[in-house]
Amino acid sequence: DADVTQTPRNRITKTGKRIMLECSQTKGHDRMYWYRQDPGLGLRLIYYSFDVKDINKGEISDGYSVSRQAQAKFSLSLESAIPNQTALYFCATSDPPGLRNTGELFFGEGSRLTVL
Amino acid sequence: AQSVTQPDIHITVSEGASLELRCNYSYGATPYLFWYVQSPGQGLQLLLKYFSGDTLVQGIKGFEAEFKRSQSSFNLRKPSVHWSDAAEYFCAVGAGAAGNKLTFGGGTRVLVKP
Repeated sequence: DADVTQTPRNRITKTGKRIMLECSQTKGHDRMYWYRQDPGLGLRLIYYSFDVKDINKGEISDGYSVSRQAQAKFSLSLESAIPNQTALYFCATSDPPGLRNTGELFFGEGSRLTVL
Repeated sequence: AQSVTQPDIHITVSEGASLELRCNYSYGATPYLFWYVQSPGQGLQLLLKYFSGDTLVQGIKGFEAEFKRSQSSFNLRKPSVHWSDAAEYFCAVGAGAAGNKLTFGGGTRVLVKP
């Protein structure tokens, strides 16, 4: 089984619908992230959480919200989906940087969302 | 704020030929630098990383990268490309002291000709 699991893997929805993307991890990491990938733009950070009680906005948080239900679970919600939120979404986890740990990210396989 | 530029959107290389992917970053302090690879339909896999020490870093799948502070670059190289190296490659820079929020470049898509 994957260390970082995203559900659903693919979703097609309509404008105005509420969508939730879920992420769970078995790596025991405290830090979790949501990124979106668009062609030519790479990955951009939506939200991140350094522990269960910590939620922070990334560079493109408008139109999104998150919930950190437990150390292992971090969900991303689109309250009212719009077509320009069509993208590939990635969840990632990490340990904090330190002497031995460079804080690399470990990614899920992605959730492809299409908003019609 | 940090930023990453990957000047080449697409690169086509013949199998067996060498490959070099360019990455330039902007960051005020010593950066954490990463190269990730994304195969079609897959998530991102770490190829290699740099945070201190030897500026020539070895990674998986025969890749290496060289950190050049004077040029703010972290270019990725492979001496002999295999067909399985066809993928999209992302360079990323991480804020060292504040945490590991990575900023990614736009990616370079590599096509391998037989």
